Amino acid sequence: GIQVEQSPPDLILQEGANSTLRCNFSDSVNNLQWFHQNPWGQLINLFYIPSGTKQNGRLSATTVATERYSLLYISSSQTTDSGVYFCAVGYNFNKFYFGSGTKLNVKP
Amino acid sequence: GAGVSQSPSNKVTEKGKDVELRCDPISGHTALYWYRQSLGQGLEFLIYFQGNSAPDKSGLPSDRFSAERTGGSVSTLTIQRTQQEDSAVYLCASSLATALEHGYTFGSGTRLTVV
Repeated sequence: GIQVEQSPPDLILQEGANSTLRCNFSDSVNNLQWFHQNPWGQLINLFYIPSGTKQNGRLSATTVATERYSLLYISSSQTTDSGVYFCAVGYNFNKFYFGSGTKLNVKP
Repeated sequence: GAGVSQSPSNKVTEKGKDVELRCDPISGHTALYWYRQSLGQGLEFLIYFQGNSAPDKSGLPSDRFSAERTGGSVSTLTIQRTQQEDSAVYLCASSLATALEHGYTFGSGTRLTVV
């Protein structure tokens, strides 16, 4: 299967700081999603972004499929951004391979 | 319904017993997926349904695991003769197969503990 590596594994930020999370994958893919898992375990889809750039409020994501990586940007972080961020990739829409996640802790 | 509903939310079972986990996807979502997440880990793919058929069941870890979907809606994941290593959170997701821009919607999961 596809190997998905996320970095950093852990990140501590002061509220208001910006951050960049990275997702590298081992093979060509045509599907990529970013998820946020909150401290209660709920997974929320942030972006479906197989290529290009998307923005949603303080979050934005960029995927460069030809170079096999994606970046998630968080600006002006808030304590509610805490949790684990997962990148998931796949060849089509029937199976996604998840990375191990980046655990983010935003301190007030 | 408005979201993906999973039941039960928590299940404690004795080793060797069978368990059934239920997933009720978003109405109209033709694609349904089961994943599991062990403590502190990423998600592991189990099985995918398109309608009532399962074109990809490659992630089921052993023949003790099975799943079905009826009426293109509710799905049941069954684990027979549970083992302690089956303890995990079992997550269900659904999607509109053709609405790729929306991605997956996950349920809240079933936390299974085998004692």
